[in-house]
Formats: sequence, structure tokens, C-alpha cells
Amino acid sequence: DARVTQTPRHKVTEMGQEVTMRCQPILGHNTVFWYRQTMMQGLELLAYFRNRAPLDDSGMPKDRFSAEMPDATLATLKIQPSEPRDSAVYFCASGLVNSRNTIYFGEGSWLTVV
Amino acid sequence: KQEVTQIPAALSVPEGENLVLNCSFTDSAIYNLQWFRQDPGKGLTSLLLIQSSQREQTSGRLNASLDKSSGRSTLYIAASQPGDSATYLCAVDNTDKLIFGTGTRLQVFP
Repeated sequence: DARVTQTPRHKVTEMGQEVTMRCQPILGHNTVFWYRQTMMQGLELLAYFRNRAPLDDSGMPKDRFSAEMPDATLATLKIQPSEPRDSAVYFCASGLVNSRNTIYFGEGSWLTVV
Repeated sequence: KQEVTQIPAALSVPEGENLVLNCSFTDSAIYNLQWFRQDPGKGLTSLLLIQSSQREQTSGRLNASLDKSSGRSTLYIAASQPGDSATYLCAVDNTDKLIFGTGTRLQVFP
């Protein structure tokens, strides 16, 4: 059963530390999204990639966040330095967007910055 | 900028009731609209996808309609069950990006 895999599932870190979240998209999917979910803001799109190329990262704070796709099987989201306001659930999703199909979400990385 | 709104924010109903969840969006130039379900502590699962050329989609007890010109979609849940308790989110596809509403938190009690 194909699924999007995210690691870590849970992370508690101290303010100022670097956090790296990883995502393995479903094999064959050409588009990968990073979303952040909080109670106040709901689901916000941070960045997305098509065929590993970044298409839009306008939703991401550029000074501390970075997103990459080193290869087709791995997407990363880094926060450096982390701040308490970054505490949220970070979701990765993948899909074949060109075919106007749905996208599939991972179970999220729950981040707490203290 | 596309904005997606869902009403109501929360809903609590007895088992067996038929429900309507509402979604509205400001920019009607969409490729499709999707309804997702999110259980506590989990990711999102797609329930129904309506292409912009379609008016509705059905899956089991779920029926979703789309009125692009008025910027509205409804999700109809027939004969609700406690297992339907979850948060339901609609999302519109604008230029290959999914923009989400804030969701409706549904509780169905026995």
C-alpha cells in the first residue's frame, strides 16, 4: 500500500536548534508539497516541487526555513534557528498534479519548540 | 488571492442525521475542488474530488456538489454515524496548489 512517509513523527527541541524534517513521497509522483498546520492558521502551503524543481516557496519564512529535494525519493524541510512560533504539525503530500488527481498526505511531523 | 471559508466551524449531531457542510471560495478559476477528512493526530485523507467541469461526485453516503460560478461547494453526509466524527476540510486547486479551508469539526454521538 503506497504511502507518503514522514520522519520524525514527533520532535521536541530547544529554541535556536536546527530541525530537519524528511519526507519520502509515493514512488512515481511528480509533485511534493510541504504544509504547516496550526490551530490559529489552519493548513498553510509552505513550498512545493514539481519534478524536484522548486515552484513556489512564497509561503515560507526565507530567513530560517529551507526546502530541498536532493532526489526523487526524498524531500527535506529545515528550520534554522527554530523558534517557539514554529511549533506546529508539518505535513508532506505528494501527487500527480498534472493529471488533476488528488494528493496524498503523510501523517505529519509534530514539532514543539521550547 | 484565493480564500476558502467553511461553515460551520463545528457541528455536533446525534447519530442518523443527514448533514450539510459548506465551503465557499473567492476565486472561481479553479481546476478542481476536493473534500478531505482528518482524524485527530493523523494526516488528511481525500474523500471526493470534483473537477471544474463537474457538478457533483458521490461516494457511498457522501455527496459533494460544486457551483463554480457562485464559489460554493457542499458536502452532504447521509445517515451520519459515530465513525464519521472527524474534521472535514475542503480545498481548491488554483494553478496546481491546493488552498485549504479551516475545516468543520464534526462530532456524531450515539
